[in-house]
Amino acid sequence: DTEVTQTPKHLVMGMTNKKSLKCEQHMGHRAMYWYKQKAKKPPELMFVYSYEKLSINESVPSRFSPECPNSSLLNLHLHALQPEDSALYLCASSQDSGGGGHYGYTFGSGTRLTVV
Amino acid sequence: QKEVEQNSGPLSVPEGAIASLNCTYSDRGSQSFFWYRQYSGKSPELIMSIYSNGDKEDGRFTAQLNKASQYVSLLIRDSQPSDSATYLCAVLDTGRRALTFGSGTRLQVQP
Repeated sequence: DTEVTQTPKHLVMGMTNKKSLKCEQHMGHRAMYWYKQKAKKPPELMFVYSYEKLSINESVPSRFSPECPNSSLLNLHLHALQPEDSALYLCASSQDSGGGGHYGYTFGSGTRLTVV
Repeated sequence: QKEVEQNSGPLSVPEGAIASLNCTYSDRGSQSFFWYRQYSGKSPELIMSIYSNGDKEDGRFTAQLNKASQYVSLLIRDSQPSDSATYLCAVLDTGRRALTFGSGTRLQVQP
C-alpha cells in the first residue's frame, strides 16, 4: 500500500457545524502533516506529527484541532469555521520524522472544504 | 521566514520543446530539494528529489542543484500537453522538519 487516503473528498459545512477530516496511511511512515492550500497558492504547513506526537503547530487558530490516534491515522477536527477557511486540505506522510529527508512526502488526494 | 521563490508563469512552450523551471531559496543550510507536479484541483505529486550539487536525471526530467547560488531547476525534455500543470519547488526546512513550498510555476505545453 503506497497511498495516503483522505476522507471525505468534498465537504460543505456551516459556520456552526463540527466536522472532522480523516487521513490514513499504511506505509509505516513516521511523520504526518496537515497542509492548507488556497486557490493558486502553495500548500501552507499547519501541523506536523512525529511518532504520533504533535511537533509543529504553525500558529493555527484553535478552531482547527488535530489528533493522531495511532501511527496510521491523522484527524483534523473542525469547529466554528469561517468562510475564509474554505480551501483544499492536504494530508501527507513521510518515511522519516525529519520532514521527508531524502524521500519527500506522499500526499493524499485532499479534502475540498467549503464553509458557508 | 525561510523563502522559496518561483516565477508564477505561465510558462508556455510548444510540444516537443524543453521546459525550464527555476527556483531559488533563502536558507543556505538547506540540504534536500523536491519538485512536485500539481494538476488543477488535484494534490501534489512528487516528480524528483535532489540533494547533491549537479544534475539528476529521471526519464524526461532533469533536476539541477547549485547550492552556492541557492538555485534549483527542473528541465522537462520533449514536453507533452499532459505536462501542463503547476510545478512546485519544495525545500526541506530542517528547523521545522517540514517542506516549504514555492508558489509554483504554471506550465502550458501547446500542441
